[in-house]
Amino acid sequence: EIVMTQSPATLSVSPGERATLSCRASQSVSSNLAWYQQKPGQAPRLLIYSTSTRATGVPARFSGSGSGTEFTLTISSLLSEDFAVYYCQQYNNWFPLTFGGGTKVEIK
Amino acid sequence: EVQLVETGGGLIQPGESLRLSCAASGFTVSSTFVTWVRQPPGMGLEWVSVIHSGGGIYYADSVKGRFTISRDNSKNTVFLQMDSLRAEDTAVYYCATNYYDTSGWFDPWGQGTLVTVSS
Repeated sequence: EIVMTQSPATLSVSPGERATLSCRASQSVSSNLAWYQQKPGQAPRLLIYSTSTRATGVPARFSGSGSGTEFTLTISSLLSEDFAVYYCQQYNNWFPLTFGGGTKVEIK
Repeated sequence: EVQLVETGGGLIQPGESLRLSCAASGFTVSSTFVTWVRQPPGMGLEWVSVIHSGGGIYYADSVKGRFTISRDNSKNTVFLQMDSLRAEDTAVYYCATNYYDTSGWFDPWGQGTLVTVSS
């Protein structure tokens, strides 16, 4: 099983600031990495797939980078609606597909 | 509009069974994969099971032998039969698919259904 580790667990950021979230895989997942945003009481929403491709309707302030075992989600200038929990997920190995533990982005 | 709607959650006692349904609209469940992902209260996401377009079926080790995924093409619905339920199966259960290609990322997701296993 590929273990996905996200850091930090909680990130305190002021609106308008940049947020950088990290995701590490226990072995290479190539570029088969997705990011999701989840707000309280809602289902996860796909933000990024293939490491850096934004999903339909996702604002350009969200960007993804990395390859192999190290990945980053960057939110360039946080808006109030961006405060949420973010999960990374690898799909290089299907069985099992695995998610990181999440990073909560909170208002500083 | 591509949509998934889960139903069937509820309060159930340990050792009992429950069947969840995931009704699809806007696409055909037999044309792609449909997966189940669960989220215990206040915790992260855990992949549970998948049924592929060709019929291939896979489970997480935590549910293997207790859960069964299936689909009814005539109803355009995927099911998750959950037997021998345990307290640690308590979670919101989401179904999801990849409407765009066969890669293992998920879009869209359903709204989820809560399963509570408690005596």
